[in-house]
Amino acid sequence: QKEVEQDPGPLSVPEGAIVSLNCTYSNSAFQYFMWYRQYSRKGPELLMYTYSSGNKEDGRFTAQVDKSSKYISLFIRDSQPSDSATYLCAMSAGTGGFKTIFGAGTRLFVKA
Amino acid sequence: DSGVTQTPKHLITATGQRVTLRCSPRSGDLSVYWYQQSLDQGLQFLIQYYNGEERAKGNILERFSAQQFPDLHSELNLSSLELGDSALYFCASSPDSWFADTQYFGPGTRLTVL
Repeated sequence: QKEVEQDPGPLSVPEGAIVSLNCTYSNSAFQYFMWYRQYSRKGPELLMYTYSSGNKEDGRFTAQVDKSSKYISLFIRDSQPSDSATYLCAMSAGTGGFKTIFGAGTRLFVKA
Repeated sequence: DSGVTQTPKHLITATGQRVTLRCSPRSGDLSVYWYQQSLDQGLQFLIQYYNGEERAKGNILERFSAQQFPDLHSELNLSSLELGDSALYFCASSPDSWFADTQYFGPGTRLTVL
């Protein structure tokens, strides 16, 4: 079993839809949870970062962490064609010398 | 543009050969991370350096090695290359070694082993 599980998709939605992307994990030591966006042929770009449990909102993006269920989510409101990309969840235990574990990434297509 | 540069962009080589990938971190960043991204394995953490010293090791093969120089640029050396080493190799940098939220990724080097 992988430490981080993420459905690779693809996920196709119409413009304006609310998108929900999810990851589950098995390592209870993870404390830092990130979402990266990766456009084709580009490096990953950090979108959201959350420490421990709770919600964090940034514009159209909301990240949620439920440590009791070992489940994290990224919601995208009013999705745009420019949101079409691969979204990678990532997590680490932190405290220096950490190793960041990435999910496989979910490919998202937002249709105009 | 993240400010992290990687060279070369593309590399085509043969099995058994050795290659060196280069990374220049963002100005002021002390930590450099190397990742391998392939279709079947996703993004895999290889190794981290902080201010010239190895800080963390992930799933890095013994055939692979890295170093960070006094000017903070880093090189990833891949030797005795196999077909399965074909992948995108990313470098990322961050100001320090502690916080995961500040990793900035370069554009990657696409390695093809024939």
